[in-house]
Amino acid sequence: DIQMTQSPSTLSASVGDRVTITCRASQSISTWLAWYQQKPGKAPKLLIYKASSLESGVPSRFSGSGSGTEFTLTISSLQPDDFATYYCQQYNSYSPGGGTWTFGQGTKVEIK
Amino acid sequence: EVQLVESGGGLVQPGRSLRLSCAASGFTFDDYAMHWVRQAPGKGLEWVSGITWNSGKMHYADSVKGRFTISRDNAKNSLYLQMNSLRAEDTALYYCAKDGVGGDDYFDSWGQGTLVTVSS
Repeated sequence: DIQMTQSPSTLSASVGDRVTITCRASQSISTWLAWYQQKPGKAPKLLIYKASSLESGVPSRFSGSGSGTEFTLTISSLQPDDFATYYCQQYNSYSPGGGTWTFGQGTKVEIK
Repeated sequence: EVQLVESGGGLVQPGRSLRLSCAASGFTFDDYAMHWVRQAPGKGLEWVSGITWNSGKMHYADSVKGRFTISRDNAKNSLYLQMNSLRAEDTALYYCAKDGVGGDDYFDSWGQGTLVTVSS
């Protein structure tokens, strides 16, 4: 099975900071990677799909990059509404043996 | 507007069964694969199961394979998860999620979840 590892697990930052979260896959997943934001008591919200495509309605300060096994989510200027937990997810329904979907363990972005 | 509304959660004893439902609206249900994702209290997200638009393929996480069964009724715009032989470690908030536009298997819409608690 494909494992997804995010770093850091927790990140302390201030409003206006540039923030980068890294996600590494245990094997190549091409660009089959999504990023989600989750706030306490709420369902996850899709931010980025196919590694770098911005979901409609998501602010342009969010961006994604990478391919293969290493990916990043960048918030160019952290806003108060961005303090949340972020998850990466690999999706590959065509993998040998059937579909696999795996989330990273999450990165909590806290107020510094 | 896409809406996914889960129901059927509750308190159940270990070894017993529970059936979750997800009512979908606001999109053409039978155009999309659907999934269940769970989140144990204070923990991260775990994909549980997925089903193609026509029920042609079902996929399961190893942790639930052989115990859980996913199904859908396109006529009723509904997704289901039959959970048998429940264990304490199945305690979680269960989300229903919709596949992304274009057939890519990321999840572009989520319900608010239904809580399953397995305890004696």
